[in-house]
Amino acid sequence: EVQLVESGGGLVQPGRSLRLSCAASGFTFDDYAMHWVRQAPGKGLEWVSGISWNSGSIGYADSVKGRFTISRDNAKNSLYLQMNSLRAEDMALYYCAKDISSLFDSSSTFDYWGQGTLVTVSS
Amino acid sequence: QSVLTQPPSVSEAPRQRVTISCSGSSSNIGNNAVNWYQQLPGKAPKLLIYYDDLLPSGVSDRFSGSKSGTSASLAISGLQSEDEADYYCAAWDDSLNGRVFGGGTKLTVL
Repeated sequence: EVQLVESGGGLVQPGRSLRLSCAASGFTFDDYAMHWVRQAPGKGLEWVSGISWNSGSIGYADSVKGRFTISRDNAKNSLYLQMNSLRAEDMALYYCAKDISSLFDSSSTFDYWGQGTLVTVSS
Repeated sequence: QSVLTQPPSVSEAPRQRVTISCSGSSSNIGNNAVNWYQQLPGKAPKLLIYYDDLLPSGVSDRFSGSKSGTSASLAISGLQSEDEADYYCAAWDDSLNGRVFGGGTKLTVL
């Protein structure tokens, strides 16, 4: 059974940093691209970032480009999101999502999602 | 303002059929595949349709997807109360070089 468990969320002041983690199990992690998708309270879904199986291809939403960094450790079956210079508008539930493909490209499709970790940005 | 446009809400009676539209442009739906996700209240999203009209294993065939030009649609037949959820379309956008979602449509089964 595919399982994605996010962690690392919490309350952080504007301008500070936070690192999210996603522990994957139940599938061969290094066979698939992975993504972060967020959802602000009461709002819709927003894709944040994606990474190919070998970290060779990476992409970011314009809203986080230059502030967030996605990475993965295939030996640890883990996905990460380093979030710097956090803003109030970054406050959201952050989901880790598995792709159906190994590639990060225009066909990216999220077939499994974690339950999310909540990031609250407030002074 | 979402890149992909969906109606905020739709409603229909049980056992009836409803469609949810998703409007985009040549840089997204017009040139790339569309996925649909279902999000039940308080739950993580679930993949419902991928590559415009394919059903993942385990998804009921009451759900179907279609695409024409720069618009896509999700149809749900034989509506049931458990279909009450938020539905999102998604596609790659060539101009933004990333994945974009519609704003979501809340389905109410009357």
